[in-house]
Amino acid sequence: GQQLNQSPQSMFIQEGEDVSMNCTSSSIFNTWLWYKQDPGEGPVLLIALYKAGELTSNGRLTAQFGITRKDSFLNISASIPSDVGIYFCAGQPRSSNTGKLIFGQGTTLQVKP
Amino acid sequence: NAGVMQNPRHLVRRRGQEARLRCSPVKGHSHVYWYRQLPEEGLKFMVYLQKENIIDESGMPKERFSAEFPKEGPSILRIQQVVRGDSAAYFCASSIEITNNEQFFGPGTRLTVL
Repeated sequence: GQQLNQSPQSMFIQEGEDVSMNCTSSSIFNTWLWYKQDPGEGPVLLIALYKAGELTSNGRLTAQFGITRKDSFLNISASIPSDVGIYFCAGQPRSSNTGKLIFGQGTTLQVKP
Repeated sequence: NAGVMQNPRHLVRRRGQEARLRCSPVKGHSHVYWYRQLPEEGLKFMVYLQKENIIDESGMPKERFSAEFPKEGPSILRIQQVVRGDSAAYFCASSIEITNNEQFFGPGTRLTVL
């Protein structure tokens, strides 16, 4: 079945540094979404991408939908302590017409003040 | 504007009991999804419902699990005769359409089976 490989699994960075994480798949996706999850809470939608090659920003966050439609990356610039959390990529496979999302395994981000 | 609401937030059951998880989608959203998350893992799709209809239950275990989204009231995920392996966080999400599929998640129900 469809799988999303998300990397890195975890990151420990200094406040102010930039961060990059990505997701890849062997299948084509119609939609890529990036979420952030804090402990004990549900995922919060950060950025949604709908077209191959699309580059979208949300404040210090930038994400791109890969040209091949099999990958996406998320960048966070000038990290701050509140960026700490688990970041998930999620995609809607082209083969699915029901809207279900496939999630990556998550990237745990820790920021040292 | 209220987001997706789930209750209870925490649920403890003994093996063999029933668990009922409730989800109220964002007002105006008619598409509801249920996902399960085990510790240290991503979310796994279980079922997709649209008012009164189950559209895709490909991620739902064949036995003991059922879901509904009645015309009036919240969506319910029901787990009968719970086992320890059912312990997980269960999240509900809703969207206004499935074309541009922005799904908004609730806070989850954390089920613990003793």
